[in-house]
Amino acid sequence: EAQVTQNPRYLITVTGKKLTVTCSQNMNHEYMSWYRQDPGLGLRQIYYSMNVEVTDKGDVPEGYKVSRKEKRNFPLILESPSPNQTSLYFCASSMEHYNEQFFGPGTRLTVL
Amino acid sequence: KNQVEQSPQSLIILEGKNCTLQCNYTVSPFSNLRWYKQDTGRGPVSLTIMTFSENTKSNGRYTATLDADTKQSSLHITASQLSDSASYICVVSAEDSNYQLIWGAGTKLIIKP
Repeated sequence: EAQVTQNPRYLITVTGKKLTVTCSQNMNHEYMSWYRQDPGLGLRQIYYSMNVEVTDKGDVPEGYKVSRKEKRNFPLILESPSPNQTSLYFCASSMEHYNEQFFGPGTRLTVL
Repeated sequence: KNQVEQSPQSLIILEGKNCTLQCNYTVSPFSNLRWYKQDTGRGPVSLTIMTFSENTKSNGRYTATLDADTKQSSLHITASQLSDSASYICVVSAEDSNYQLIWGAGTKLIIKP
């Protein structure tokens, strides 16, 4: 089944404890992206990747890192999480940047 | 500044009725416009994607229109069902060096039986 998977789906952590949210797609898509969604706000792009080894900042990149060492995986890294990073995170992929995006199920992160 | 504005913010209609959601954008240069449906707590799902030359596109009971001259789009839902209750998000892609996607805040649609 063609899909985007994210892990974990739920995570509660404490301030400053490094964490990684994994994202994987099995559709051979070039473009991948991370978003966060907060109550009452639209999706905001954190980082995106046009293809392997190419990543760029979105609208809200502060406090996040990403890597794209292989086409299928695009992990999101929070080196030192803070409470303002408590949010619902979505990973998405598309064949190219101008195609429709397919979204993962979301990761609900709480930073205490 | 590139912006996407959606109206209304929320809408309640009775099951079986039709409705139309609006999207106005100021994005340049324009690449395409997308409509997504997002159920609460789940990832958005693509409904339609339209380029400059397309002015109507349908996906089942969903019909999107695009007027590139006035920079307006609408999403019309016919014979609404309870499962249509969701947020509907308009997204415009800018064909610039950053390949920016500009997301609207969405319209929250509630279908009542």
